[in-house]
Amino acid sequence: NAGVTQTPKFRVLKTGQSMTLLCAQDMNHEYMYWYRQDPGMGLRLIHYSVGEGTTAKGEVPDGYNVSRLKKQNFLLGLESAAPSQTSVYFCASRPPGQEKLFFGSGTQLSVL
Amino acid sequence: GQNIDQPTEMTATEGAIVQINCTYQTSGFNGLFWYQQHAGEAPTFLSYNVLDGLEEKGRFSSFLSRSKGYSYLLLKELQMKDSASYLCAVTRGGGSYIPTFGRGTSLIVHP
Repeated sequence: NAGVTQTPKFRVLKTGQSMTLLCAQDMNHEYMYWYRQDPGMGLRLIHYSVGEGTTAKGEVPDGYNVSRLKKQNFLLGLESAAPSQTSVYFCASRPPGQEKLFFGSGTQLSVL
Repeated sequence: GQNIDQPTEMTATEGAIVQINCTYQTSGFNGLFWYQQHAGEAPTFLSYNVLDGLEEKGRFSSFLSRSKGYSYLLLKELQMKDSASYLCAVTRGGGSYIPTFGRGTSLIVHP
């Protein structure tokens, strides 16, 4: 039982490049979330999903897209990376009826 | 809308007690989390308060006053390993229970 796994752990991109961050959970959780964390800003919600095939925008969705084709996976895409997207990205999941979030270990992304 | 406020940084001495406050203005408030986050690591769950009052878990306690929009996290017998960021987060009702986080309080424990 690995919990919530994020890949990759580190990545450096050039401005304009694209990439996909993968979040996988093996706990059969319905709800999944993508947050970004910047110094002094706390965790801000990018997108979230309440079940397979459904996604919704969070607080800071611009420049990102997501997909939840399988219940266990939640993908975060950057179509054209910008320096403002340099951040640490955290994925989290939780089962319905329980409020506690289970976090992945994070992805540190730098966009040059 | 939501507004969550907590101090940016606090310092305390090993063995002492520290109280980290969090105030919020949230429509449709459901409950309040506290998470601990060590540098370079993911947040880990400490507590979730829905009802007014104090909940104690070992050295850590969390308090909530719904009418005042106020919570605090109390850390007793501080240890060096308690140096971390402490994140306050609130949830709203309506089904999705999306947690919204404050900016976090960086706690530095010194000998």
